[in-house]
Amino acid sequence: GAVVSQHPSRVICKSGTSVKIECRSLDFQATTMFWYRQFPKKSLMLMATSNEGSKATYEQGVEKDKFLINHASLTLSTLTVTSAHPEDSSFYICSARGGSTYNEQFFGPGTRLTVL
Amino acid sequence: DQQVKQNSPSLSVQEGRISILNCDYTNSMFDYFLWYKKYPAEGPTFLISISSIKDKNEDGRFTVFLNKSAKHLSLHIVPSQPGDSAVYFCAAHTNAGKSTFGDGTTLTVKP
Repeated sequence: GAVVSQHPSRVICKSGTSVKIECRSLDFQATTMFWYRQFPKKSLMLMATSNEGSKATYEQGVEKDKFLINHASLTLSTLTVTSAHPEDSSFYICSARGGSTYNEQFFGPGTRLTVL
Repeated sequence: DQQVKQNSPSLSVQEGRISILNCDYTNSMFDYFLWYKKYPAEGPTFLISISSIKDKNEDGRFTVFLNKSAKHLSLHIVPSQPGDSAVYFCAAHTNAGKSTFGDGTTLTVKP
């Protein structure tokens, strides 16, 4: 199957700093990428949908100025958590969809963010 | 309003027996359903899917059943293996392109 990578896999930062997470589709062109957040013992919460070359569409309740999403190319999307606070600590997962696999999303391995 | 529900947060099964994971949905616009498997600290991986025009899809030990009138789908794993122990998410998809996930069911297969 298609491969999606995320970097970094784990990051610890101080409160007030910004953190950038990269999501790459390695062997296919992702027309659409999704960013999820997973809370403990909870499902994946969709944060935003991004299409290459256009602005991301944020889900209700997600602050677009805090979670900046850029989908500059068909293989790369970035999520920047700006002025991170401890409540932003979570597991962030991206997924990508493209080509003939329209209905299927390929997920990255996730990024564990801990804000001290 | 949770449109996709997995009412059993956990399931424990003996190795070699059948595992049945259930999922209910409320939105009749969903036209494609998927099951994902997730290990701790990893992203979900696709397992099996089914289109709304079908009622069954089989892939090796995994079979997904869809009952549209009941808005219910289930994933059957037989025979269950210890390596199947993971969290299983069902997801429902509309033609608008967005997937909605259930809360997941943690499957434990005991040797």
